[in-house]
Amino acid sequence: ETGVTQSPTHLIKTRGQQVTLRCSSQSGHNTVSWYQQALGQGPQFIFQYYREEENGRGNFPPRFSGLQFPNYSSELNVNALELDDSALYLCASSLFGTSGERTDTQYFGPGTRLTVL
Amino acid sequence: AQKITQTQPGMFVQEKEAVTLDCTYDTSDPSYGLFWYKQPSSGEMIFLIYQGSYDQQNATEGRYSLNFQKARKSANLVISASQLGDSAMYFCAMRELWAGGTSYGKLTFGQGTILTVHP
Repeated sequence: ETGVTQSPTHLIKTRGQQVTLRCSSQSGHNTVSWYQQALGQGPQFIFQYYREEENGRGNFPPRFSGLQFPNYSSELNVNALELDDSALYLCASSLFGTSGERTDTQYFGPGTRLTVL
Repeated sequence: AQKITQTQPGMFVQEKEAVTLDCTYDTSDPSYGLFWYKQPSSGEMIFLIYQGSYDQQNATEGRYSLNFQKARKSANLVISASQLGDSAMYFCAMRELWAGGTSYGKLTFGQGTILTVHP
């Protein structure tokens, strides 16, 4: 069973630039969620993708956008980067829409650490 | 209002001893799930244990058990026989099945507890 992978592991950008982060879901999973984790904080939910559509969104501005592909992999795009966007970005995959709550457990990737200068 | 509260910023435990990490939650959703994750310094979130709101028994996974007290809205993690490798940040998280009238799998996390295991 292949776990969740993310790329790149680290990224340095300057304010105003755009960035794309990538995530491959665990085999057999159909849902991807993205979280932002600032230093010393718990992760904050950005959005979730299911069947290639945004299935739920947290309190993040529209410059945070995403995609899910037919193979269930996903991208997180952030436009007009701000200094406060510096964080660890975590992707999690899960199996949604089947019976039993247990199958909705989210399994996380290693994260992408984004630094905005 | 905080949905997940972890009141212990840091905890210390001696190797081979048991430790309890506290978590309280707040929800009006009748159906929800509670999760504990471990985050080592490498950053990856590792799933430890899950408790459903309708589960009658406390969840157990190896050395991890979840002390679920529904009326008190608490879901404390108990780690038995602590090991040096247990030193990490621990997060409690909740998934509400019908958050905001839409069913999706948003996890709400607490602030975390840093656990340090001493030899």
